[in-house]
Amino acid sequence: GESVGLHLPTLSVQEGDNSIINCAYSNSASDYFIWYKQESGKGPQFIIDIRSNMDKRQGQRVTVLLNKTVKHLSLQIAATQPGDSAVYFCAEAYYNQGGKLIFGQGTELSVKP
Amino acid sequence: NAGVTQTPKFRVLKTGQSMTLLCAQDMNHEYMYWYRQDPGMGLRLIHYSVGEGTTAKGEVPDGYNVSRLKKQNFLLGLESAAPSQTSVYFCASSSLDRDEETQYFGPGTRLLVL
Repeated sequence: GESVGLHLPTLSVQEGDNSIINCAYSNSASDYFIWYKQESGKGPQFIIDIRSNMDKRQGQRVTVLLNKTVKHLSLQIAATQPGDSAVYFCAEAYYNQGGKLIFGQGTELSVKP
Repeated sequence: NAGVTQTPKFRVLKTGQSMTLLCAQDMNHEYMYWYRQDPGMGLRLIHYSVGEGTTAKGEVPDGYNVSRLKKQNFLLGLESAAPSQTSVYFCASSSLDRDEETQYFGPGTRLLVL
């Protein structure tokens, strides 16, 4: 069945360091992948997405890498800041199913000052 | 532009009671979604809608009903609440324009069923 999972439930980094959050998925049929950030008591907030025909996409301080061979997705955050502390979710998305999202469990990122 | 709003923010129900959660969006989005999030887990799709008057089942539809009578509103109903439905409920909307597929989420509704 469909499943999206994360390798590590928690990640602690020092302020200024780079963070890498990983995600494994099992279904090759998804059209694109999305990373969301969720702060305590709030709804998920879009960070960056990548289509399934791409292997890299860069945003402001963030980069997403997609390796379809091993069904692996990663989110890299450069110069991590205390405001980056949150739970990060990867999600698979399907155009032909109304944009349905299948979420992974989440990784909690903690940034130490 | 308020984005996605949800009503109420918090609710306590007794087992067997019914209630309706309201989601509203002002972005003229075609697609709307209801998710639930349990502690330590990602969001799971309950139901979704690809347009006014249409609904479809997601991953965990049992015990819930939905209606999309107006494009801007998506209602989630619990006919007979159960303790297993204690969760945080998030609504989302998107345009599914290939240049803007992002789902925008509301702030959530915390539901406690006793």
